[in-house]
Amino acid sequence: KNEVEQSPQNLTAQEGEFITINCSYSVGISALHWLQQHPGGGIVSLFMLSSGKKKHGRLIATINIQEKHSSLHITASHPRDSAVYICAVAHSGGGTDGLTFGKGTHLIIQP
Amino acid sequence: SAVISQKPSRDICQRGTSLTIQCQVDSQVTMMFWYRQQPGQSLTLIATANQGSEATYESGFVIDKFPISRPNLTFSTLTVSNMSPEDSSIYLCSVVTGLYEQYFGPGTRLTVT
Repeated sequence: KNEVEQSPQNLTAQEGEFITINCSYSVGISALHWLQQHPGGGIVSLFMLSSGKKKHGRLIATINIQEKHSSLHITASHPRDSAVYICAVAHSGGGTDGLTFGKGTHLIIQP
Repeated sequence: SAVISQKPSRDICQRGTSLTIQCQVDSQVTMMFWYRQQPGQSLTLIATANQGSEATYESGFVIDKFPISRPNLTFSTLTVSNMSPEDSSIYLCSVVTGLYEQYFGPGTRLTVT
């Protein structure tokens, strides 16, 4: 069974700061997902990665398959970025057998 | 893309009763999943909802407790049976598209008293 570890568990930062959230996993995967969960519980998929790096707006996600590690970066952070960020891994077919989730990083951006 | 709706969005139920959660997708999808998120915990896969056949359950989850229906490629239900306070969780429906993109429903927040 894959163990997915995220760090930090909680992060409070000031508006404008550069944010990094880390994710490591124990078993080889077919893809890694970064998800955002808002207080109401709804989840939005931010990125799906199988190699390299992806960028969307102020969000950047990287993955190192050999080291079994991924990072999510937020540049010029804003209070609206406050949410729980979850790393999840897929073992086959990009997630066709479901995902294994980390416990999430609770991010608060203060104005 | 896929847009998913769930009903109800939240409910408060009494111990020993059952609740059926509905998941509707705006397009046909092959892969549909049900997850549970207990308070302060990560999401855990309950089962894969298979169209036209029995769901495939993960270790620790059984059909008698969490019966699932998948009558077609756009709809599924999850029933939480004989509820106890330990069943208080957010229940989420998720789909995977042909491009391996993951989409999640808004969740059903269940409180059992």
